[in-house]
Amino acid sequence: DADVTQTPRNRITKTGKRIMLECSQTKGHDRMYWYRQDPGLGLRLIYYSFDVKDINKGEISDGYSVSRQAQAKFSLSLESAIPNQTALYFCATSDRKFGQGVNYGYTFGSGTRLTVV
Amino acid sequence: DAKTTQPPSMDCAEGRAANLPCNHSTISGNEYVYWYRQIHSQGPQYIIHGLKNNETNEMASLIITEDRKSSTLILPHATLRDTAVYYCIVRRTGTASKLTFGTGTRLQVTL
Repeated sequence: DADVTQTPRNRITKTGKRIMLECSQTKGHDRMYWYRQDPGLGLRLIYYSFDVKDINKGEISDGYSVSRQAQAKFSLSLESAIPNQTALYFCATSDRKFGQGVNYGYTFGSGTRLTVV
Repeated sequence: DAKTTQPPSMDCAEGRAANLPCNHSTISGNEYVYWYRQIHSQGPQYIIHGLKNNETNEMASLIITEDRKSSTLILPHATLRDTAVYYCIVRRTGTASKLTFGTGTRLQVTL
């Protein structure tokens, strides 16, 4: 089984609908992140959580919300989806020691391809 | 975190070494250099990281200049499976910092 699992893998939804993307991990990491990637561009950070009680906005949080239900689960919601939220979404995790040069950085899921029509 | 500059694309013949440059002229003393790659539309994969010294692992080598203003990722014997987008990221030490991805270098390995 993958260390970081994202569901669904693909989703097509209509404008105005609420949709939730889910992420679960077996790494035992404290920190979790949501990124989006548009074609030809790098990844941009939407939200991140350093532990269950900690939620922080990233560079493009407007139109999104998150929930950290447990250490292993971090969900991303689009309250009212719009077409320009069509993108590839990635969840990632890291250990709390990341940043001290101790470990190998982030572990990413396989992504969720979201299309809003 | 310091910004990085990478060429948008590079080609490499299979079996040859791929040398991917990265400029990070504004890097500060407590910032590490990380390399990730993204194959097709999969999640990015960690390759290697370093602070001052050159580093090597089973995937690649990282050469950091003495002034730390640039670095080179070396894939010693590139294969077709190394075709990917490679991201050079500079990130400071400390527990609150996060990875910021640029647009990377698209490496195409050819026969």
